[in-house]
Amino acid sequence: DAKTTQPPSMDCAEGRAANLPCNHSTISGNEYVYWYRQIHSQGPQYIIHGLKNNETNEMASLIITEDRKSSTLILPHATLRDTAVYYCIVRVGSNAGNMLTFGGGTRLMVKP
Amino acid sequence: EAGVTQFPSHSVIEKGQTVTLRCDPISGHDNLYWYRRVMGKEIKFLLHFVKESKQDESGMPNNRFLAERTGGTYSTLKVQPAELEDSGVYFCASSQRASGAYNEQFFGPGTRLTVL
Repeated sequence: DAKTTQPPSMDCAEGRAANLPCNHSTISGNEYVYWYRQIHSQGPQYIIHGLKNNETNEMASLIITEDRKSSTLILPHATLRDTAVYYCIVRVGSNAGNMLTFGGGTRLMVKP
Repeated sequence: EAGVTQFPSHSVIEKGQTVTLRCDPISGHDNLYWYRRVMGKEIKFLLHFVKESKQDESGMPNNRFLAERTGGTYSTLKVQPAELEDSGVYFCASSQRASGAYNEQFFGPGTRLTVL
């Protein structure tokens, strides 16, 4: 699986958009980008995933660059409950049969 | 719908003792995974069950760890004998049958293991 690089920490004001970047310059054509987050004292939680098109769901939007070497997770209106560690994961395939490889993630602090 | 549950939430044992962690996946989920985060490190994959069969156990650190999933329902992870470096949080996750569209992994709250 391709290695990802994320900033170790970021701050965001409550109500503003949080934009979390991820670099995956060695991504292969059959690898997807996944985002999970871990809120303190809970297990990781799936957010969104994509291959090459931008994706949006009720939690977030995922913007993938045309060359697929980087992506951005956008939380459009961050709340205090979005404070968590966010993990960008790249792996082959779209089915659930493969393990997740977690890196260090980005610790997002949403401030009032 | 009940989520993934894990028992116990915390366990404190002495070095050399045995501990068994339990995971109850979401009903109907064929895939069950174990992960762990040891002190200061990243979350690491341990193994993956498809129903009662071990699909991938490449992440199991050594033979002191034994995972089972009899009947393809709940799973246990036994550590015998426990060592200091086994301290950390053990997560279980489950997902539906691995076919078709992406089936996200749902994680439990974890079991915090402390070995003294």
